[in-house]
Amino acid sequence: AQTVTQSQPEMSVQEAETVTLSCTYDTSESDYYLFWYKQPPSRQMILVIRQEAYKQQNATENRFSVNFQKAAKSFSLKISDSQLGDAAMYFCASQYNNNDMRFGAGTRLTVKP
Amino acid sequence: DSGVTQTPKHLITATGQRVTLRCSPRSGDLSVYWYQQSLDQGLQFLIQYYNGEERAKGNILERFSAQQFPDLHSELNLSSLELGDSALYFCASSPPRFSGRASESTQYFGPGTRLTVL
Repeated sequence: AQTVTQSQPEMSVQEAETVTLSCTYDTSESDYYLFWYKQPPSRQMILVIRQEAYKQQNATENRFSVNFQKAAKSFSLKISDSQLGDAAMYFCASQYNNNDMRFGAGTRLTVKP
Repeated sequence: DSGVTQTPKHLITATGQRVTLRCSPRSGDLSVYWYQQSLDQGLQFLIQYYNGEERAKGNILERFSAQQFPDLHSELNLSSLELGDSALYFCASSPPRFSGRASESTQYFGPGTRLTVL
C-alpha cells in the first residue's frame, strides 16, 4: 500500500523568502509519480508540480521546485520568492499506474507580508 | 480552470435522503476519480472509472455508488445520508495512458461539490 506523510501541519514564511515543505512516502512500486497540489481558500485543487520516479532530475516550475530523494522516499517542495497568493493548503500525493492518488494530510502555508 | 466540471456546486439536504453528484471530465480523458474531503482533512479516494468500467475502489461506503456513462460523464450517488457525509466531493479526470509519462497520470480536479447534511 502507498502511504504519504506530511509531518508539518502548518508552516509560515515571510513574503519574498523561501520555504520548504516536507513529504515522505512509502511504496513498493518501482514506477510511480509524485505530485504537489495547492488548495487555496476557494478549495480548488491546483496542480503545482509533478515528478516521475524514474527521472533523477528534480522537477521545477517557475518559483516551485522539488528535492526528490528516491532512496530516502522523500519529496519536498521548495517555494522561492514567496508571494501572498502562495498561501494555501499544500498536499503531497503519490500515484502508481494511473490508479488513485494517495494524499498526505496537508501543510497549511501562511505567507506574512 | 481545469476543464473538469461538477454540478451542483452546493447541496444541502437532510439525513436519510439521497443525492446525485455529477461530473464531466476534460475532453479526451477516459478516467474519472471521485474523492471525499471532510473538513480540514486530506482527500480520501472513493472510486475510479475508466471508459465506463469500474477500475478501482477505495474507502467507499456501501451506501455510495457511482457509474460512468457512454459519454464519459460520471455520477456519484449517495443514499441514506448521515451527518458525517457532509464534505467536499471532488471529481478528477486523467488522460488515456500511452507512453507512461507523468502528464498522462496527472489528475485534473473539478471545483468540487459541497454537500451539507442537516
